[in-house]
Amino acid sequence: GAVVSQHPSWVICKSGTSVKIECRSLDFQATTMFWYRQFPKQSLMLMATSNEGSKATYEQGVEKDKFLINHASLTLSTLTVTSAHPEDSSFYICSASTGGDWTEAFFGQGTRLTVV
Amino acid sequence: GQNIDQPTEMTATEGAIVQINCTYQTSGFNGLFWYQQHAGEAPTFLSYNVLDGLEEKGRFSSFLSRSKGYSYLLLKELQMKDSASYLCAVTDSNYQLIWGAGTKLIIKP
Repeated sequence: GAVVSQHPSWVICKSGTSVKIECRSLDFQATTMFWYRQFPKQSLMLMATSNEGSKATYEQGVEKDKFLINHASLTLSTLTVTSAHPEDSSFYICSASTGGDWTEAFFGQGTRLTVV
Repeated sequence: GQNIDQPTEMTATEGAIVQINCTYQTSGFNGLFWYQQHAGEAPTFLSYNVLDGLEEKGRFSSFLSRSKGYSYLLLKELQMKDSASYLCAVTDSNYQLIWGAGTKLIIKP
């Protein structure tokens, strides 16, 4: 199957700093990428959908100025958590789609963010 | 509203069979996914159903009844490594993925 690489796999940062998470599709072109957040023992929650070359579409309740998403190329999307606070500590997961095939969503490995 | 229900936790014995149910109410339907998620890891794809019936893939099978808004994931010959959360997700009419909360499956020797 297709490979999606997410980096870093874990990060610890100080409160007030920013953290960037990268999501790359290694062997296919991802026209659409999705960013999810998952709190312990809870379901995946979609944060935003990004299409290459256009602005991301954020889900209700997700602050677009706090969670900056860039999808500048067909193989790379980034999520930047700005001015992180302890309540932003979570598991962040990206997934990628070619846009035309909905038989499978390809997930990155996830990033465990801890804000201290 | 859109809703997906699955049991919170199930326990089964190594070598046995377990069925994890999922019921959904969504605005439209364009397919149902089952994912396996081990603690601290991203979900991995198990199955996709868009037509009624049973899809078999090795030890795992998935069933769908669109008229009943119901699916199940059947795991046979359970192994200890099958201990994980199993997530049911449905794509609605806008091709948005709606996620269930997941079923934590505990396998005992």
